[in-house]
Amino acid sequence: AQSVTQPDIHITVSEGASLELRCNYSYGATPYLFWYVQSPGQGLQLLLKYFSGDTLVQGIKGFEAEFKRSQSSFNLRKPSVHWSDAAEYFCAVGGSGNTGKLIFGQGTTLQVKP
Amino acid sequence: DTAVSQTPKYLVTQMGNDKSIKCEQNLGHDTMYWYKQDSKKFLKIMFSYNNKELIINETVPNRFSPKSPDKAHLNLHINSLELGDSAVYFCASSHDLGRSTDTQYFGPGTRLTVL
Repeated sequence: AQSVTQPDIHITVSEGASLELRCNYSYGATPYLFWYVQSPGQGLQLLLKYFSGDTLVQGIKGFEAEFKRSQSSFNLRKPSVHWSDAAEYFCAVGGSGNTGKLIFGQGTTLQVKP
Repeated sequence: DTAVSQTPKYLVTQMGNDKSIKCEQNLGHDTMYWYKQDSKKFLKIMFSYNNKELIINETVPNRFSPKSPDKAHLNLHINSLELGDSAVYFCASSHDLGRSTDTQYFGPGTRLTVL
């Protein structure tokens, strides 16, 4: 069965520091992978997605993610974190059958210290 | 311009009541979804509709009934509310079905509290 694991429930980084949020997936075929961000009291916004091609994907707000098939990972990175990046981050995999179904990880809460 | 809107934003009600949450999208998308986010922030899909046709029904209790009067609207009606229904419910839409790469656009959520 398809699944997504985000090993870090909560991460705190200092403003200006680099960030890496981990995501591991379980999926038999070529996965479609997404990172969404949820700001407090808001809905989810897509940061980036991968479905083919270059394994390093650029997204909005200075985020990037790298797909590594050998490690079943799709980690999200940002070279310099801003205080406004404090939010909940969700990794998701597109389900099989072309139903549009997304399977989400449990999320990582990012706290940014001044 | 709000792309995906939900009403109400907050809903507090007693056990056993029946309530509805409305969702509208102005993106011209063909597919709409309902997700439930529990107290641990875990997000799980409940339903999806494509052009008013039910596509996904993820073993949700029969007390939950989605209704899609047109492809721009997907409402969620819940009968006989239970304490465990307390959650944040998100509506989302995407351009098309059958393309798992499509971006889903989420509404702001409806926080349902059952007392």
